[in-house]
Amino acid sequence: NAGVMQNPRHLVRRRGQEARLRCSPMKGHSHVYWYRQLPEEGLKFMVYLQKENIIDESGMPKERFSAEFPKEGPSILRIQQVVRGDSAAYFCASSPARGSDYGYTFGSGTRLTVV
Amino acid sequence: QQQVKQSPQSLIVQKGGISIINCAYENTAFDYFPWYQQFPGKGPALLIAIRPDVSEKKEGRFTISFNKSAKQFSLHIMDSQPGDSATYFCAAALLGNEKLTFGTGTRLTIIP
Repeated sequence: NAGVMQNPRHLVRRRGQEARLRCSPMKGHSHVYWYRQLPEEGLKFMVYLQKENIIDESGMPKERFSAEFPKEGPSILRIQQVVRGDSAAYFCASSPARGSDYGYTFGSGTRLTVV
Repeated sequence: QQQVKQSPQSLIVQKGGISIINCAYENTAFDYFPWYQQFPGKGPALLIAIRPDVSEKKEGRFTISFNKSAKQFSLHIMDSQPGDSATYFCAAALLGNEKLTFGTGTRLTIIP
């Protein structure tokens, strides 16, 4: 059981570039969640997806951010035209059913640095 | 309304001592309170969780105490060990809801 796999582990982008973060959920998990952790802060919910559907994106910034979870392949969090304020650790979690009380399994995160 | 306040920000405890981390929440609708442990370079891992129908839950050396009227809950780590050195996050959610509202974290250091 490989757990939740995120890649890359570290990503450096210049201002204005695009960042693509990938997340493969645990085997048997069809619910994926993205959280962002700013330095010295707790994690903040961004988006909840099931296969081919965005269920709740209430935590996503209105512009430049998008997420998908296609029928085949990993979930992708995409940040267009990155700015310094996007520098953070982005964590993906998965669960076997909807709801945090089923026990999220988090990946090790992608640390995005915008220079 | 959605905040979870966590204290202290950092904590140093001697090996064998009791580590205590406190959290307070505002939204009375929250009914699921997990604690997560995070080591450097890793994602958070679920440690222990409680629902408001009980006032205490114990798993090994880890205990959650819950005070519904005060809207507070705390994590107690008994016989703290150097391997417990990590950042601990409390969180709150509505049962069946995907959104966890996290506290800001407590960096715990256990010294020999």
